[in-house]
Amino acid sequence: GAVVSQHPSWVICKSGTSVKIECRSLDFQATTMFWYRQFPKQSLMLMATSNEGSKATYEQGVEKDKFLINHASLTLSTLTVTSAHPEDSSFYICSARIWLSRTNTEAFFGQGTRLTVV
Amino acid sequence: DAKTTQPPSMDCAEGRAANLPCNHSTISGNEYVYWYRQIHSQGPQYIIHGLKNNETNEMASLIITEDRKSSTLILPHATLRDTAVYYCIVSVGNQFYFGTGTSLTVIP
Repeated sequence: GAVVSQHPSWVICKSGTSVKIECRSLDFQATTMFWYRQFPKQSLMLMATSNEGSKATYEQGVEKDKFLINHASLTLSTLTVTSAHPEDSSFYICSARIWLSRTNTEAFFGQGTRLTVV
Repeated sequence: DAKTTQPPSMDCAEGRAANLPCNHSTISGNEYVYWYRQIHSQGPQYIIHGLKNNETNEMASLIITEDRKSSTLILPHATLRDTAVYYCIVSVGNQFYFGTGTSLTVIP
């Protein structure tokens, strides 16, 4: 299947600093990518939809000024966690879709990024 | 919000078929049913998806009821490496919303 790659796989940062996570679709173009967050022993929570060339759409309760999303090309979306705090420590996962028809789609996920804020 | 309900956990003996149920009673006509699984600390892995007809691939089979209000994922010969959390997702527009999933444990 299609490959979605995230970088880095894990990162440790100090409180108050910013961290950038990259998500790349390696063998296909993705006009839309999705960012999820997962806390321990919980399910994935959709944070935002990243649209190439336009502003991201954030889910209710997600601070857009804290989680900056940039989707500058058809193969790259970035999530920047600004002024990180320990409560932002989580597993961040991106996803990209391939459309098989107008309504039939497959979603592929990156391997995730483990963020620890100390 | 997720539109699916799944049992929180299941056990299956190694080599036997694992049958994972999912209820999606409010599914609309053009929404697909997707199954993904997540092994600890990894991103979700695609398994299979379908609209109305039953589907089979090299990993699993998907059985969708005629009224489409429920489905079952079948792993025909479960192995220890199939131990994971399995998520049933109904596509809502462009987004995928994950429910709580079923934690499947394959027992030797």
